[in-house]
Amino acid sequence: GDSVTQMEGPVTLSEEAFLTINCTYTATGYPSLFWYVQYPGEGLQLLLKATKADDKGSNKGFEATYRKETTSFHLEKGSVQVSDSAVYFCALTSYSSASKIIFGSGTRLSIRP
Amino acid sequence: SAVISQKPSRDICQRGTSLTIQCQVDSQVTMMFWYRQQPGQSLTLIATANQGSEATYESGFVIDKFPISRPNLTFSTLTVSNMSPEDSSIYLCSVAGSPGDRTDTQYFGPGTRLTVL
Repeated sequence: GDSVTQMEGPVTLSEEAFLTINCTYTATGYPSLFWYVQYPGEGLQLLLKATKADDKGSNKGFEATYRKETTSFHLEKGSVQVSDSAVYFCALTSYSSASKIIFGSGTRLSIRP
Repeated sequence: SAVISQKPSRDICQRGTSLTIQCQVDSQVTMMFWYRQQPGQSLTLIATANQGSEATYESGFVIDKFPISRPNLTFSTLTVSNMSPEDSSIYLCSVAGSPGDRTDTQYFGPGTRLTVL
C-alpha cells in the first residue's frame, strides 16, 4: 500500500542555517503531496502542497518539489528562524488510498538562537 | 480555506466517563474526518464522518467506543466512551472539499487535548 518515509528527528539547527527534511513516498498512480506543520500545543497547518510531477509548493520561505523520478518531496528553507521550531509531517493522498491522507512519522525541528 | 473550531480545547477526565468533542466549520464541506494523535506520534485516522449516515471506521476503531455524528455539512461530534488512561491523546477533526477547494486537501482543527486519569 501507499506509504511515506521521512527523516527521523529531532533535527537541531542554529538560526539562519539551511534546512532540508527528506521525504520519500511509495504510491500507485499520481499522488498529491503535502507538508503539514504542527507548532507546539497546536493542531496541524497545511504548509504547502504539490499535485503533479515537477510542481513546486512554497509558503513562508519553505519549498518542496514533487520529484516523480526519485519519488521524493524534500522540504527546504534557506534560512530558518527560531519560530520555525515545530514538528513537520510529510503526507500524500492518492486514488488508491481513497483520498485518505497517509502521514509520515513526523520530524521534530528545533532552532536555537 | 475553511476555518475550523473544536470544543473543548482540552479536558481532564476520570476513567469510565465519556467526553463529546465538537467540530464546527465556517462553510459547508464535503468530507469530515476524526484523527487521534498519541503523545509524540503521528496521526491515526479514526473514522470518516458521513453526513446523514453512519460513520466509516478504520480498522481498530469501533462505533461503541467512538460514536460519531454529522447532522449537517458544517458540524460533527466525536464521543470518546468509557475512557481509560490509554485514551489520553490529541483528537483532531479535519475537513476537505470546501467551496472552490480540492477534496484531496485536508485542513485541520486546533485539536482537543484529552487527559484521562
